[in-house]
Amino acid sequence: GENVEQHPSTLSVQEGDSAVIKCTYSDSASNYFPWYKQELGKRPQLIIDIRSNVGEKKDQRIAVTLNKTAKHFSLHITETQPEDSAVYFCAAGTSYDKVIFGPGTSLSVIP
Amino acid sequence: GAGVSQSPSNKVTEKGKDVELRCDPISGHTALYWYRQSLGQGLEFLIYFQGNSAPDKSGLPSDRFSAERTGGSVSTLTIQRTQQEDSAVYLCASSLLSWTGELFFGEGSRLTVL
Repeated sequence: GENVEQHPSTLSVQEGDSAVIKCTYSDSASNYFPWYKQELGKRPQLIIDIRSNVGEKKDQRIAVTLNKTAKHFSLHITETQPEDSAVYFCAAGTSYDKVIFGPGTSLSVIP
Repeated sequence: GAGVSQSPSNKVTEKGKDVELRCDPISGHTALYWYRQSLGQGLEFLIYFQGNSAPDKSGLPSDRFSAERTGGSVSTLTIQRTQQEDSAVYLCASSLLSWTGELFFGEGSRLTVL
């Protein structure tokens, strides 16, 4: 089955700097890669997703890149703000199977 | 409803007792998922429903865990003879389509087994 790894497990950045979280997946059939943000004590919420027919997607300060050959994808957050502090989960799945989540990255943005 | 609703929000039980956790998905969402999140940990997949059927039960940790969904809507996750290691937040999510769509999570049910 699918296995998703995520690095780093914790990340601290200064406000205004960029943050990068990297994930790898094992199932070459995976074609859907969402990212969820979970603030402390709250439910996970989708922030951006990418499908295998594109290599990059951007939404304001957030961007995701996908390298299907290497089976890895990354989340980039630019101009970080304190409200970006949260746990971020990457996930991978296919149109016929479940979405498997990575272990999460705890991001702290220091004012 | 406006969002995914889960009950109870908190449950404290004694070891060996059975518990039922309920999930009411967003109206019209055909796919429903259960995940488990232990303290400070990731999202562990438990089971997935498409309509009333469960094509994937591979994540259920043991035969003490079972789930059902009736009427293509409400789902119940049952844990029999609870153990301390079952303590976690149980998250339910629904999706309009199958897996390749946004998951809308509930607030979760926090289970504490004493």
